[in-house]
Amino acid sequence: DAGITQSPRYKITETGRQVTLMCHQTWSHSYMFWYRQDLGHGLRLIYYSAAADITDKGEVPDGYVVSRSKTENFPLTLESATRSQTSVYFCASSDSRKQETQYFGPGTRLLVL
Amino acid sequence: GIQVEQSPPDLILQEGANSTLRCNFSDSVNNLQWFHQNPWGQLINLFYIPSGTKQNGRLSATTVATERYSLLYISSSQTTDSGVYFCAGTGANSKLTFGKGITLSVRP
Repeated sequence: DAGITQSPRYKITETGRQVTLMCHQTWSHSYMFWYRQDLGHGLRLIYYSAAADITDKGEVPDGYVVSRSKTENFPLTLESATRSQTSVYFCASSDSRKQETQYFGPGTRLLVL
Repeated sequence: GIQVEQSPPDLILQEGANSTLRCNFSDSVNNLQWFHQNPWGQLINLFYIPSGTKQNGRLSATTVATERYSLLYISSSQTTDSGVYFCAGTGANSKLTFGKGITLSVRP
């Protein structure tokens, strides 16, 4: 019973590099989300997806790209990492009923040097 | 989007004490949820509570949707209750907005 997993758990990269964070869920939930957590800001929504091939922007989408070719996977790509993207990234999922009860992955700590 | 305010920002309790955490919303919300982030960073959904009252062991939550607030009650607190408590809700844009959290420290 894996639930929702994220990889890698920790990542150090350099400014300008492309980085992809992976998220995988085994519940067949329709909705998936990416958040970033920063001190003083709480959690902020980056992108979300209501189903395979359907994605939409959240509060802070600039500098990020997402895709969802399969229901269970929702990768987040930083096309050209910047220091301001140093953060903890959380993936979450919920079933199709009005986004009730979101379940979170363990998070990925990303440091951009 | 909606604004979510949580209070108090920090709380220190002695083990065994009770506490009330508050969440205010600037506008009507749906899908109101409470989360606990433990000291290792894991976020756990505590309650989905768009209205009314729910209880789960020593924790209970009450949402008064018409007055745009929700309360989380912790009774007989334990050191394992330490961490950050977030409330979140969706407004007209249907996107979940989080408060900045309440940091709870329970001392033995």
